[in-house]
Amino acid sequence: EADIYQTPRYLVIGTGKKITLECSQTMGHDKMYWYQQDPGMELHLIHYSYGVNSTEKGDLSSESTVSRIRTEHFPLTLESARPSHTSQYLCASSVTSGPSGANVLTFGAGSRLTVL
Amino acid sequence: AQKITQTQPGMFVQEKEAVTLDCTYDTSDPSYGLFWYKQPSSGEMIFLIYQGSYDQQNATEGRYSLNFQKARKSANLVISASQLGDSAMYFCAMREVSSARQLTFGSGTQLTVLP
Repeated sequence: EADIYQTPRYLVIGTGKKITLECSQTMGHDKMYWYQQDPGMELHLIHYSYGVNSTEKGDLSSESTVSRIRTEHFPLTLESARPSHTSQYLCASSVTSGPSGANVLTFGAGSRLTVL
Repeated sequence: AQKITQTQPGMFVQEKEAVTLDCTYDTSDPSYGLFWYKQPSSGEMIFLIYQGSYDQQNATEGRYSLNFQKARKSANLVISASQLGDSAMYFCAMREVSSARQLTFGSGTQLTVLP
């Protein structure tokens, strides 16, 4: 049973529209992330947050923005969608644990965005 | 430079046989973690197995085992007794402890299990 929820699962929208992809987790994790993935390709980190009111940009430049007002909620917003934004967006969360790298990410089911 | 390299875009295996998915990595950080995730066609990412750089033994989780060869910087995933439900995309990923960023993923291997 997933403890991290993404909505919508699928979205088809016209160019220029504003969209928000929702991500919520019920595990109390302090860290949350957004990855972008084109079909059959690797995941690229676009945003991450280490806690409330903390957000950072990831390795892949993105025109999207994020906010972290509550621990459990990490929405991603595109102010003006374009066809180049067509992709799958995966939200994940993790909790800081242990001295080494055992910081397992739990992923949501993803949001597949198509911009016409 | 690529931090995670998966050289097999696609692999086929007969049901009930074992299969090895290759993964090599590049890091100068002495402390790091290696992960394997499975992504079925439905799109979600499912965590399979983890290996820490200081772990003495290879990690195992049920039918999954990680063949960790530190000197060669490889972390191959071995799936024993393949099942039809194992057909999916498999991603190798690394987290360097010194890095403030999170997982870096490889390009993935599409595994197809044949009946």
